[in-house]
Amino acid sequence: SQQGEEDPQALSIQEGENATMNCSYKTSINNLQWYRQNSGRGLVHLILIRSNEREKHSGRLRVTLDTSKKSSSLLITASRAADTASYFCATEPYSSASKIIFGSGTRLSIRP
Amino acid sequence: ETGVTQSPTHLIKTRGQQVTLRCSSQSGHNTVSWYQQALGQGPQFIFQYYREEENGRGNFPPRFSGLQFPNYSSELNVNALELDDSALYLCASSLGRGSGADTQYFGPGTRLTVL
Repeated sequence: SQQGEEDPQALSIQEGENATMNCSYKTSINNLQWYRQNSGRGLVHLILIRSNEREKHSGRLRVTLDTSKKSSSLLITASRAADTASYFCATEPYSSASKIIFGSGTRLSIRP
Repeated sequence: ETGVTQSPTHLIKTRGQQVTLRCSSQSGHNTVSWYQQALGQGPQFIFQYYREEENGRGNFPPRFSGLQFPNYSSELNVNALELDDSALYLCASSLGRGSGADTQYFGPGTRLTVL
């Protein structure tokens, strides 16, 4: 079963706009990571946020974590056509260290 | 490129057969994890190996088994294939002991089709 659920399942925006994706999870976690995947290929790590952190930035990416709501968001600013991909959150449950649970993903399409 | 390779790229098997998928981790990465990704879904954790010992397992039956070798290569074996085993199989290596805080470096995957 999936621990995380991304919202929306699919998102289409104009190049240059900001894209926001949300992830909700069910159990307490040690940390949460975001990955991207291009068209059925391998995943690429984007950013890690620990359970005691509330916000992190990396280039055009901004991640927030609200452990009280068991949710996280990924914001991509000034989107580019190359950002078209699927984005997944992945959590490490507090009770199951080393077992990483991925959400179902958001498919992001950037229109030129 | 992550430096993690997988073989073969694509594979077609029939129900009931056995399959072995291979992964070559980044040099120095002691942990390898295997995932199954059905079409349109997120990856599902199968198991993880740290220094040739199983270090965690997801909700997969025993017919899914693995091996990790000292040369940073690993295998995923699936016996008695079922139609639902059709998926993209991903391996990922990491430097640490397999903590969820470690960055995982994914291979491109093996697309398995079971007929």
